[in-house]
Amino acid sequence: DGGITQSPKYLFRKEGQNVTLSCEQNLNHDAMYWYRQDPGQGLRLIYYSQIVNDFQKGDIAEGYSVSREKKESFPLTVTSAQKNPTAFYLCASSIDLQTSYNSPLHFGNGTRLTVT
Amino acid sequence: QKEVEQDPGPLSVPEGAIVSLNCTYSNSAFQYFMWYRQYSRKGPELLMYTYSSGNKEDGRFTAQVDKSSKYISLFIRDSQPSDSATYLCAMAWRGAQKLVFGQGTRLTINP
Repeated sequence: DGGITQSPKYLFRKEGQNVTLSCEQNLNHDAMYWYRQDPGQGLRLIYYSQIVNDFQKGDIAEGYSVSREKKESFPLTVTSAQKNPTAFYLCASSIDLQTSYNSPLHFGNGTRLTVT
Repeated sequence: QKEVEQDPGPLSVPEGAIVSLNCTYSNSAFQYFMWYRQYSRKGPELLMYTYSSGNKEDGRFTAQVDKSSKYISLFIRDSQPSDSATYLCAMAWRGAQKLVFGQGTRLTINP
């Protein structure tokens, strides 16, 4: 079955440590995204990528970094510079970046990161 | 003011009731309107997709867009306990590279 795999499901880290969240897709989608979800705030875009080796900052990129070395993979690093890293992180993909009926977002099942 | 406003609830109704979920928005350029359903500890899944104004029906679900009022709705008929989830509205303008999401409404259908 095609889909998006995020790992791990739960992640615990100490404050001051960097942590990398994994996202892999086998949908052959060009575009990939990282969102952060906090209670009562909906989804906020962190980074997105249209093609390999290219990515753009979203609305809340500070304290995060990404890479896109392979079409299938879009890992997110939460750095120690992120002030409030505890959240639910969602990875998504779509056929391409242009919003259209034929290119809806497909989401993974998320990683819940807790930093203490 | 947020670009998309959605009442976070929580909303609790008895099984079989008609549920109405709503979002308002401020950007008149939005043309694509979506509803996502998110079960607890899962990622959102696309439920309904509407382009421009009008209604779209899919089984027990009806999505309605009123661009003149900048208001979209999702109606659920004959609601079931399995409909208990968080419902997120999302929208975008033509050619946009990202969606704008509402805050999500947490819905519980009681047996």
